[in-house]
Amino acid sequence: DARVTQTPRHKVTEMGQEVTMRCQPILGHNTVFWYRQTMMQGLELLAYFRNRAPLDDSGMPKDRFSAEMPDATLATLKIQPSEPRDSAVYFCASGLARQAKQETQYFGPGTRLLVL
Amino acid sequence: QKEVEQDPGPLSVPEGAIVSLNCTYSNSAFQYFMWYRQYSRKGPELLMYTYSSGNKEDGRFTAQVDKSSKYISLFIRDSQPSDSATYLCAMTHTGGFKTIFGAGTRLFVKA
Repeated sequence: DARVTQTPRHKVTEMGQEVTMRCQPILGHNTVFWYRQTMMQGLELLAYFRNRAPLDDSGMPKDRFSAEMPDATLATLKIQPSEPRDSAVYFCASGLARQAKQETQYFGPGTRLLVL
Repeated sequence: QKEVEQDPGPLSVPEGAIVSLNCTYSNSAFQYFMWYRQYSRKGPELLMYTYSSGNKEDGRFTAQVDKSSKYISLFIRDSQPSDSATYLCAMTHTGGFKTIFGAGTRLFVKA
């Protein structure tokens, strides 16, 4: 049963600390998405990778957030320095894009982040 | 105005009721329409996927798209307590990768 995995599942940290979240996409998928979910804003797209290349990170605060895909099996989202307003659930999703069509996205279980 | 509008609810119904969930949107370029179900403390999972206008049925679930009105619906027949979750509509346009999600409607089905 192929699934997207995310670590850690929960993270509590203090303001100013660096936070790194990791995602393992489903084997064979060529697209990876990072989303943030809050009660106020709902599900927001932060970054999108296709074949490991970042295609869109316009949803990310550039001064503190960064996203990378060191290899096809790992995507990372870093926040440095973290702020209380970053508290949210961060989801990674992977999928398969064929030509111009994005297929279904499969979501991971999320990382629940609390910044004190 | 948001591109996708969805009433957050909550919506509470008795077991066995027919549930109707809806979204409106403003971007006429949207061609792919999806409904995701999200249980508490879990990631969203795809429930229904529809291309362009029309109906699609899968068991107790029916998705409808009315592009002329920019309105999509999800119907759940014979609702069960296990259907209690948040339902998010989502859409994207041809050639696009960016999926726009609605705020999600929280549904409670009472036994």
